[in-house]
Amino acid sequence: GAVVSQHPSRVICKSGTSVKIECRSLDFQATTMFWYRQFPKQSLMLMATSNEGSKATYEQGVEKDKFLINHASLTLSTLTVTSAHPEDSSFYICSARSEGVGYEQYFGPGTRLTVT
Amino acid sequence: EDKVVQSPLSLVVHEGDTVTLNCSYEVTNFRSLLWYKQEKKAPTFLFMLTSSGIEKKSGRLSSILDKKELFSILNITATQTGDSAVYLCAVDNNQGGKLIFGQGTELSVKP
Repeated sequence: GAVVSQHPSRVICKSGTSVKIECRSLDFQATTMFWYRQFPKQSLMLMATSNEGSKATYEQGVEKDKFLINHASLTLSTLTVTSAHPEDSSFYICSARSEGVGYEQYFGPGTRLTVT
Repeated sequence: EDKVVQSPLSLVVHEGDTVTLNCSYEVTNFRSLLWYKQEKKAPTFLFMLTSSGIEKKSGRLSSILDKKELFSILNITATQTGDSAVYLCAVDNNQGGKLIFGQGTELSVKP
């Protein structure tokens, strides 16, 4: 099946710093990538949708200047959490979708962000 | 507002039991319903359902969709401790692939 990787898997940073998370589709070209956030004991909440070569579409309530998304190629999307604060600590998960693999979304393993 | 509701929210069973997880939805433009299993990490794909009444099966897991009554069930027979996880139901509302997730059902299988 389609494989999506994320890097890093776990990151701890200090308040006020920025963190970049990478999401890669390893064996298929992802026309669309999605970024989710999941707090403990809660379900996945979509943050934004990114299409290769165009600006990301953010969900209501998600600050686009704080969560910068770049989808520079068909296999790579990045999420940068700028000026991170403790309340940004969460599990960030990306998913990738390609029409070539049947429209299912395949999820990366997730990145655990802890802001101290 | 589009929404997906799962029930029960949590369930404890013993090995060998059969469980049925429920997912109901209200969306304006249904495309497909997906089931995922999540164990500590990111969700892993189980099934995608698009047509009513056609059961999808994978080993001890099976799922079916009722588009008239707007729900789906996920069955797990002869449960094992390795089935313990959160099971997520999501609906694709045909908006560029966006998924709307339910709250999840936390299944715990005791030996």
